[in-house]
Amino acid sequence: AQTVTQSQPEMSVQEAETVTLSCTYDTSESDYYLFWYKQPPSRQMILVIRQEAYKQQNATENRFSVNFQKAAKSFSLKISDSQLGDAAMYFCAFNTGTASKLTFGTGTRLQVTL
Amino acid sequence: NAGVTQTPKFRILKIGQSMTLQCTQDMNHNYMYWYRQDPGMGLKLIYYSVGAGITDKGEVPNGYNVSRSTTEDFPLRLELAAPSQTSVYFCASSYSGLRGNGGYTFGSGTRLTVV
Repeated sequence: AQTVTQSQPEMSVQEAETVTLSCTYDTSESDYYLFWYKQPPSRQMILVIRQEAYKQQNATENRFSVNFQKAAKSFSLKISDSQLGDAAMYFCAFNTGTASKLTFGTGTRLQVTL
Repeated sequence: NAGVTQTPKFRILKIGQSMTLQCTQDMNHNYMYWYRQDPGMGLKLIYYSVGAGITDKGEVPNGYNVSRSTTEDFPLRLELAAPSQTSVYFCASSYSGLRGNGGYTFGSGTRLTVV
């Protein structure tokens, strides 16, 4: 079975500080993408960052970066210079197979404090 | 581009009623998906389609049906609604899966309550 584990139900960070959200996954596939999605109270699923499994270089998008450890099946998200607008649920996910189905973790709720 | 459009945004159903959640995309995406999100949980796959006329079950298909008569539309049918189907439902689409750019577009969700 393909699974995604987010072991931190809630995290808190002060504005301007850095926070890391953890994610581990399990799959027997070798070709897949990994994702972090942000879900604010509006419910919209917003793509934060994407990593291709065959690329060793960690993806970065402005203040967001990942630490991808393929052998360990670990995919953590680092948010630098946290802003109030970063407060949301964050979901780790990956897709595999010809139908490219997404498997999601249970999410981490991030609070950003002043 | 409108992207992925879901209707309705909210609905309250009585136990035993039926309804169809509509999903339309205008990006000519081949792959479409229906997910449900229970409170405090991640999204779970209900059904998916890799093209018109082709559908398949996901992780939690019981109590639902789908059809894909066109590339654009992928409606989700609930027959005999049950309280366990109270959830937020998301439709998503993707161009061509892994061999595309790996990107997905999500609709804004439908909050369904069964009482």
